Amino acid sequence: DTAVSQTPKYLVTQMGNDKSIKCEQNLGHDTMYWYKQDSKKFLKIMFSYNNKELIINETVPNRFSPKSPDKAHLNLHINSLELGDSAVYFCASSRGGGSGANVLTFGAGSRLTVL
Amino acid sequence: AQSVAQPEDQVNVAEGNPLTVKCTYSVSGNPYLFWYVQYPNRGLQFLLKYITGDNLVKGSYGFEAEFNKSQTSFHLKKPSALVSDSALYFCAVRDEASGGSYIPTFGRGTSLIVHP
Repeated sequence: DTAVSQTPKYLVTQMGNDKSIKCEQNLGHDTMYWYKQDSKKFLKIMFSYNNKELIINETVPNRFSPKSPDKAHLNLHINSLELGDSAVYFCASSRGGGSGANVLTFGAGSRLTVL
Repeated sequence: AQSVAQPEDQVNVAEGNPLTVKCTYSVSGNPYLFWYVQYPNRGLQFLLKYITGDNLVKGSYGFEAEFNKSQTSFHLKKPSALVSDSALYFCAVRDEASGGSYIPTFGRGTSLIVHP
């Protein structure tokens, strides 16, 4: 049973399109995250939700909108896709938003290619 | 503010030799430190963490890391490298004094290549 699952694993689309990436975790964690990994493998936090509430929203274009229907799901919707959005997007989850030593469990990643 | 640096983009080591992947950090309070590993086309996997206590932390797959407060370092080590250890390694830090922001900051990653 996959702990953090993301769909789709690969996504190829045209500039200007709107796309979504879904994430689900079955670990009972309270907190979920979206990270972007660029071509140089640099990992950058985009959003974090704790108990369905947005906690962290780093400097990310408004075209990116996270949605958390419940604690187990955090979806990422991207409007008007641009070439620079091409990257691997990782979903992660952890237990207890207020504890600093929480270990993150990552999904396998969703590779987005914008043509 | 919290930050972490991995000074080496790539580390090469022969199989059977000891390996070290370096990490230094900067925090205002006490650090929580982590190492994660990423195999090709996979997500990051947790290796080990330091919270408090013994400076030598043991983790998965025979890896260990040494916390050095005076040098603000948390280097990852393994006594005998395997070819299967070849992967991308990330160090991460979270400042205990950062209050409500519990998001760890990740380093830029170090590619470990173990040669047969």
